[in-house]
Amino acid sequence: NAGVTQTPKFRILKIGQSMTLQCTQDMNHNYMYWYRQDPGMGLKLIYYSVGAGITDKGEVPNGYNVSRSTTEDFPLRLELAAPSQTSVYFCACAMGGSNTGELFFGEGSRLTVL
Amino acid sequence: AQSVTQLDSHVSVSEGTPVLLRCNYSSSYSPSLFWYVQHPNKGLQLLLKYTSAATLVKGINGFEAEFKKSETSFHLTKPSAHMSDAAEYFCVVRTGTASKLTFGTGTRLQVTL
Repeated sequence: NAGVTQTPKFRILKIGQSMTLQCTQDMNHNYMYWYRQDPGMGLKLIYYSVGAGITDKGEVPNGYNVSRSTTEDFPLRLELAAPSQTSVYFCACAMGGSNTGELFFGEGSRLTVL
Repeated sequence: AQSVTQLDSHVSVSEGTPVLLRCNYSSSYSPSLFWYVQHPNKGLQLLLKYTSAATLVKGINGFEAEFKKSETSFHLTKPSAHMSDAAEYFCVVRTGTASKLTFGTGTRLQVTL
């Protein structure tokens, strides 16, 4: 099992460009999440999903969009990239139900917007 | 609102000496608390979790944490540090439904020879 796979691992964008960060999991978990990590700030929740076809905003959703057409995939879309979106992005999944709280993370995607 | 505060941004210990990483929480009811570890250029991994069962929780790699309601603390300890313990550690509280987590700002643990 690969767990949670994120692509690309590194990307440099120009201001105003758009891109999609891909996330796929083979754990058959219902819950998926996107976090961003900035130095000294911990992780902030961008969007999450409790199942295919269902998404909801987290703490810092502005400038991002998500979709969840399958259990396995949860792409994060950045429209009109801004320098403030320079960050490390982590995708995670969780089983859900009573066994909540343990998230399984991908290795991250480092995005730089210049 | 539930939150966690990590009291130290950086802790340095010598190999073989005890580790103490401090975390205080704020919650209006009994919280679910976690410690996650992040090694350089890696994703985060669950170290241990407290979900209102035993107040002393044992995790992986010899770490443990004690939930103290009177002190609103959930400090992470290890009797003897190893070089491989050098990493960033996050104290985390579950907030609301759907396993949403709120992270502390992290403590970077440095282990020296």
